Amino acid sequence: AQTVTQSQPEMSVQEAETVTLSCTYDTSESDYYLFWYKQPPSRQMILVIRQEAYKQQNATENRFSVNFQKAAKSFSLKISDSQLGDAAMYFCAYRSAPGRDDKIIFGKGTRLHILP
Amino acid sequence: NAGVTQTPKFQVLKTGQSMTLQCAQDMNHEYMSWYRQDPGMGLRLIHYSVGAGITDQGEVPNGYNVSRSTTEDFPLRLLSAAPSQTSVYFCASSSPDGGSSYNSPLHFGNGTRLTVT
Repeated sequence: AQTVTQSQPEMSVQEAETVTLSCTYDTSESDYYLFWYKQPPSRQMILVIRQEAYKQQNATENRFSVNFQKAAKSFSLKISDSQLGDAAMYFCAYRSAPGRDDKIIFGKGTRLHILP
Repeated sequence: NAGVTQTPKFQVLKTGQSMTLQCAQDMNHEYMSWYRQDPGMGLRLIHYSVGAGITDQGEVPNGYNVSRSTTEDFPLRLLSAAPSQTSVYFCASSSPDGGSSYNSPLHFGNGTRLTVT
């Protein structure tokens, strides 16, 4: 079974600085999808960024980018120019490719604090 | 579009009571799922469905039942509530074409906070 591990329960970063959140996963599959979700205090779940395992190029969405290391099974999220609105819980998620077990598994999350 | 609608938003149950958490989506999504969120545990998958008439167990299915009679609805039933089921429950759905849209994200409801006393 696939597992997702986020080893940092909490992190803090100064406003305008850069922070990297870690995510590792365990799978025997070669094709899959990875996601980062953000959950602000409102409890709403918001997609931040996604990555297909077959794509070597790291995904980027404005200030958010990932460092996808397939061999190391690592999928870290980098937030540049941190803003107060980035304060939230961040979850890493794994989804198998079509035709396989269709569970979407989440890590335990990292709570990010932004220091003004 | 309303997206994913969960009801109720809050619920208090006594141990042993049963109830159904409702989830409906209007996006014609084939994939629907239920998660529970507990402090320090992240989101854990309870049950999921890849289409009407098809359901499967997730990571923590015990004490919960689901059915999927229509594409739109995916209710979660607590048969005999226990204090260990106190949690925030999220329903989520994903785009209809699993073959070409597997990178499509989950769309989440706003959650139901359930307390079992």
